[in-house]
Amino acid sequence: ETGVTQSPTHLIKTRGQQVTLRCSSQSGHNTVSWYQQALGQGPQFIFQYYREEENGRGNFPPRFSGLQFPNYSSELNVNALELDDSALYLCASSRRGSLDEQYFGPGTRLTVT
Amino acid sequence: SQQGEEDPQALSIQEGENATMNCSYKTSINNLQWYRQNSGRGLVHLILIRSNEREKHSGRLRVTLDTSKKSSSLLITASRAADTASYFCAFAGGTSYGKLTFGQGTILTVHP
Repeated sequence: ETGVTQSPTHLIKTRGQQVTLRCSSQSGHNTVSWYQQALGQGPQFIFQYYREEENGRGNFPPRFSGLQFPNYSSELNVNALELDDSALYLCASSRRGSLDEQYFGPGTRLTVT
Repeated sequence: SQQGEEDPQALSIQEGENATMNCSYKTSINNLQWYRQNSGRGLVHLILIRSNEREKHSGRLRVTLDTSKKSSSLLITASRAADTASYFCAFAGGTSYGKLTFGQGTILTVHP
């Protein structure tokens, strides 16, 4: 297992609500990336944080936002939830300058009803 | 939409047999990686091959990379029931620093 943790494990929300997902990086890692994985699909890159700033974003609308804290932990916030936001949300930590090897957490399963 | 494609989508074999999964991509890459995922949980990094490498081994895993054909393959030898999982290729290009693009995965089932 990696040293990356995520909370909560599962979450059920109603359409239109807001949600915050949390991730703690592996020790020594300064970069956090978030991915969305719909059922039966590969993960899709949402965005990445380095030194508390967004460092690249995938094809996701602004209602997906994030934060990185001085201890390199991170939050993913999603506003105005839609049914299609139901997915497994994965965070991954890495060291800047590494060969992009990612260490993934166990994920948060979000269900929007 | 994803820029990586994998085949087959599903593979069913008996214990002891070899399993081969293929991945194709469309962009230039710095490296290509393979990950395993058990039952919709977190991904586990298996192996990374750089763009200037052609083949790499790790235990029962062998990965090849052909940048001229923009393709890679993952071979698992002497498979075990515990290898049952989804396998994903992922790649990073340019100065992506961890912005991985994943294929849609191959579901491998190994029957005891």
